Amino acid sequence: DQQVKQNSPSLSVQEGRISILNCDYTNSMFDYFLWYKKYPAEGPTFLISISSIKDKNEDGRFTVFLNKSAKHLSLHIVPSQPGDSAVYFCAASGGGNKLTFGTGTQLKVEL
Amino acid sequence: KAGVTQTPRYLIKTRGQQVTLSCSPISGHRSVSWYQQTPGQGLQFLFEYFSETQRNKGNFPGRFSGRQFSNSRSEMNVSTLELGDSALYLCASSLGPVEAANYGYTFGSGTRLTVV
Repeated sequence: DQQVKQNSPSLSVQEGRISILNCDYTNSMFDYFLWYKKYPAEGPTFLISISSIKDKNEDGRFTVFLNKSAKHLSLHIVPSQPGDSAVYFCAASGGGNKLTFGTGTQLKVEL
Repeated sequence: KAGVTQTPRYLIKTRGQQVTLSCSPISGHRSVSWYQQTPGQGLQFLFEYFSETQRNKGNFPGRFSGRQFSNSRSEMNVSTLELGDSALYLCASSLGPVEAANYGYTFGSGTRLTVV
């Protein structure tokens, strides 16, 4: 049972444009949501998080939006840069329990 | 400050063999979790350890086991290897389980296991 879903396995965006990565979840007990970025041959690195009491969190070029009623979150990257090309995982947790990850979205930023 | 260290980085084993993977967390981190990454499946949770106790276990067969030592270092073992066990095994550490769930983990670079 995939409680965290990333329905787009890949996304291609031109440099300078906005990248929007989406994530849906089914467990209403989740109260923290995180995004990780992963390059090949490296472990995932933490990017940005959001608590369920907020609907937006911003950090530089990265903004995460949370829509609790729709059980949906998204990561916006503006402007996209070639170095942003990586696999992006969303993850969720609730009640201090383990992180549950989505299946990832491969972002390719083209020149 | 050293990051999460996983050894070995690469491993090739034959079906039926067993394997032990090692993880040294960041100094001071007491929570260690293991994940399996395969194409199309994302990161699948294996185990979580805190203070030498297994807190959570994922939906993997009993061939997958782990432990944590008093210095917080952790090992995971896979017995009777199958071709489908080929994957990247990632270890992640955090100060504690609550911090892990709320603020995320720090991941190691992983061990790439290939079963032939």
